Amino acid sequence: GAVVSQHPSWVICKSGTSVKIECRSLDFQATTMFWYRQFPKQSLMLMATSNEGSKATYEQGVEKDKFLINHASLTLSTLTVTSAHPEDSSFYICSASRGAGASGEQFFGPGTRLTVL
Amino acid sequence: RKEVEQDPGPFNVPEGATVAFNCTYSNSASQSFFWYRQDCRKEPKLLMSVYSSGNEDGRFTAQLNRASQYISLLIRDSKLSDSATYLCVVNIGSWGKLQFGAGTQVVVTP
Repeated sequence: GAVVSQHPSWVICKSGTSVKIECRSLDFQATTMFWYRQFPKQSLMLMATSNEGSKATYEQGVEKDKFLINHASLTLSTLTVTSAHPEDSSFYICSASRGAGASGEQFFGPGTRLTVL
Repeated sequence: RKEVEQDPGPFNVPEGATVAFNCTYSNSASQSFFWYRQDCRKEPKLLMSVYSSGNEDGRFTAQLNRASQYISLLIRDSKLSDSATYLCVVNIGSWGKLQFGAGTQVVVTP
């Protein structure tokens, strides 16, 4: 159990376009989902925390108007990179938590590799 | 100063040998600690949680020193399949916010 999927697994797009990434918890309901970004040889950086039915909480320095997050159900959260530019090229990973608070183990999706030309 | 710091390595380890490395964290209010493993271009996978008393899972032993704010991971009898980047991860508050170190690369050689 506790499988998280992401779609697409990779995407190449032109500068200025928007890209939507889906994160799904396949066999459990996720009260909280997290979106991370990882540049080569760097650590995962938390971008935002998404709770079902409420607005996402963004980390400092992450533009909420550029990275739109929608957590419409307990099994789906989406991240839309609006007007993508080459510097947005990165590995985007979501995770889903079954429980609330510090005790909720996080399960990671396989990641989406975004390349903006 | 980074919230979670790790020696990036690489640690080149002969097969069968033991390797150990540490991670330091800056937030004294951190509540829980983990080691994750990340293979190249893949998502992180939980290796083990780290408890105050220290814990062992097969060939892997994790230790937590809250006073000095560091966590360690020891791998015994290294296998080629242990080659990966090991991420030190700290839970920094409520709602499960995790802070990741940049990882320590381990390369096990035949």
